[in-house]
Amino acid sequence: SAVISQKPSRDICQRGTSLTIQCQVDSQVTMMFWYRQQPGQSLTLIATANQGSEATYESGFVIDKFPISRPNLTFSTLTVSNMSPEDSSIYLCSVTQGAGETQYFGPGTRLLVL
Amino acid sequence: AQSVTQLGSHVSVSEGALVLLRCNYSSSVPPYLFWYVQYPNQGLQLLLKYTTGATLVKGINGFEAEFKKSETSFHLTKPSAHMSDAAEYFCAVSEGGNMLTFGGGTRLMVKP
Repeated sequence: SAVISQKPSRDICQRGTSLTIQCQVDSQVTMMFWYRQQPGQSLTLIATANQGSEATYESGFVIDKFPISRPNLTFSTLTVSNMSPEDSSIYLCSVTQGAGETQYFGPGTRLLVL
Repeated sequence: AQSVTQLGSHVSVSEGALVLLRCNYSSSVPPYLFWYVQYPNQGLQLLLKYTTGATLVKGINGFEAEFKKSETSFHLTKPSAHMSDAAEYFCAVSEGGNMLTFGGGTRLMVKP
């Protein structure tokens, strides 16, 4: 399976600021996704990152708050904008390869907003 | 719409005892089913998956799960727990369109 890395691995940010999280894969992938895992909770899909076009957001998530880019088949970014303490979570990217249905996850970015 | 229920947010077993983590799903089509494990401060690692074929699937670290359509279940088992198995376990379902829905997770604690 693909090797997935995320930067930063963790960060502490002040409210009102923005943070951009990077997801890099060592080989071309078909689909890329962004998830949020709030403290003690399960994973919730934020959006599907589409190459060369706007991301597809799930209910409750909007582009102004979570802008996403995917300029090529191996890289995507998620920005958490105008952060508040409620945005403190783990943010994970995942990918699928070929026609496969299995999602493989990156190590996550642990974000704390003060 | 697909959904997943994991019975028991916390499960505690003794080292060497049987591990049983329960997962029930609902799906309008034949599902793809997954178990992931999350160790502290790490991402999710795929344990095993069921797509088609044999209903008993074996995964890494001695885990296995059985797809039971009549019971809409996909319970995860391991014959003998090890201290290193302590982690959070997530069951997930997909209806084949890459949309994964996760259960609430089960934290497994292993007592010495």
